[in-house]
Amino acid sequence: EVHLLESEGGLLQPGGSLRLSCAASGFTFSTCAMSWVRQGPGKGLEWVSGISGSGTNTYFADSVRGRFTISRDYSNNTLFLQMNSLRPDDTAVYYCAKHRLGSYYSSLDSWGQGTLVTVSS
Amino acid sequence: DIVMNQSPDSLAVSLGEGATINCKSSQSVLFNSNNKNYLAWYQQKPGQPPKLLIYWASTRESGVPDRFSGSGSGTDFTLTISSLQAEDVAVYYCHQYYSSPQTFGQGTKVEIK
Repeated sequence: EVHLLESEGGLLQPGGSLRLSCAASGFTFSTCAMSWVRQGPGKGLEWVSGISGSGTNTYFADSVRGRFTISRDYSNNTLFLQMNSLRPDDTAVYYCAKHRLGSYYSSLDSWGQGTLVTVSS
Repeated sequence: DIVMNQSPDSLAVSLGEGATINCKSSQSVLFNSNNKNYLAWYQQKPGQPPKLLIYWASTRESGVPDRFSGSGSGTDFTLTISSLQAEDVAVYYCHQYYSSPQTFGQGTKVEIK
């Protein structure tokens, strides 16, 4: 069974940084692309960033490009999202999600429970 | 960016009746080389993460009840619940994975009438 477990989020000040991690199990990590998707309070889903199964290709939403980076550690089956220069509008539940295929251009077939990141002074 | 527009924003349906949710993309998500529509549907219940229901516009995910079906091609898609059950109360999202950035519809809330 696929299991995705995000690290704890937290309360950050504007301009702060946080690294989220997502521990993956139950599938061959290197064969699947991964993404981060967020959901603001009472809002819909917003795709944030993705990475191919090989790690060669990374993708970002315009709203986070230049501030967030995505990476993956194959030895520990862990996905990361480094978030810098945080802004109040980054406040959201952040979900780690697995793509069905090694390609980023595939649907998201498993999701973690999500972790809340709040950016406020 | 491809904009995904769902309609309606919400609907109330009697138990056992059908429900239809529409999703329109601002450009085609049909990849001609493999004739696949890069469109998925998700269900999100309160306090839970989204759950994949349909991918490639019409392929039901394993374990999803067959009362859920997806149809459409190009820019116009539909999610149909043939006979609404109490456990189907949720928000439903369409999602295009044809191009980056991937984008979601705004969501459609389904309730019991």
